[in-house]
Amino acid sequence: NAGVTQTPKFHILKIGQSMTLQCTQDMNHNYMYWYRQDPGMGLKLIYYSVGAGITDKGEVPNGYNVSRSTTEDFPLRLELAAPSQTSVYFCASKWSGSAPNTDTQYFGPGTRLTVL
Amino acid sequence: AQSVTQLDSQVPVFEEAPVELRCNYSSSVSVYLFWYVQYPNQGLQLLLKYLSGSTLVKGINGFEAEFNKSQTSFHLRKPSVHISDTAEYFCAVSTFTGNQFYFGTGTSLTVIP
Repeated sequence: NAGVTQTPKFHILKIGQSMTLQCTQDMNHNYMYWYRQDPGMGLKLIYYSVGAGITDKGEVPNGYNVSRSTTEDFPLRLELAAPSQTSVYFCASKWSGSAPNTDTQYFGPGTRLTVL
Repeated sequence: AQSVTQLDSQVPVFEEAPVELRCNYSSSVSVYLFWYVQYPNQGLQLLLKYLSGSTLVKGINGFEAEFNKSQTSFHLRKPSVHISDTAEYFCAVSTFTGNQFYFGTGTSLTVIP
C-alpha cells in the first residue's frame, strides 16, 4: 500500500489564484481529514469527511472547500488565495467503526504552499 | 471545548540521556490522548495512545507516556534517547463524541551527540 499520498509536494501561488491540493489513500479508510500546520503552531483541522459524499467543517474552514466523491480521494480547494494561507497542508485518513475518536490517523507527507 | 498545551517548544538533550516531553490538556469530558512524531519533511506518525485502562502506555521506539487525570497531563518519556529520535513531537486529544482531534503546538526534540 502507498498509504496516503499528496500532490504537489511544493507550490507557489499568486494572491487571488485558485488551486486544488490532491489527497488519495489506498487503505479503504472511511474518515479523511485536511489540516494546516503553521510555524510554531499545532495542526489545525480545516475540513473532514466521514465517508464518500459527507464532509464537514473543522476549526479553520474559511477560504477552503472540499469534496468527497469517492472513498479514495479528498481534494482541498483554495479559492482566491491569500498570504494567510501560506502553510504546510497535511491530509490524513483512518478507518473507524463504533469509536471513531480512538483510532489512529495516517498522515500524508504534506504539501508546502506559499502564497505571494 | 478541548485544548492541548505542550509546555516546552524546544528540548535539547544529550544522546543516551533520559527525556520527558510535557503535555497538559483541558477538557470538560473524558478524553483520549495521543502522541505523534514528525520527522523532517514527513507526515506525522503515531507513537502511542491512551484510550482507557492502565495509565502507563508503551509505544514504539522505546517511548512511554503516563496519563494523570488529576493533573490533566500525558507526559512522554524515554529512558535513553538516540540521535534518530531528533524530531518534532505532538500531543493530541480527542473525545468520545465529536469528530475532531486537537493538537498541541509541538515540541522539537534535538538529541546532541
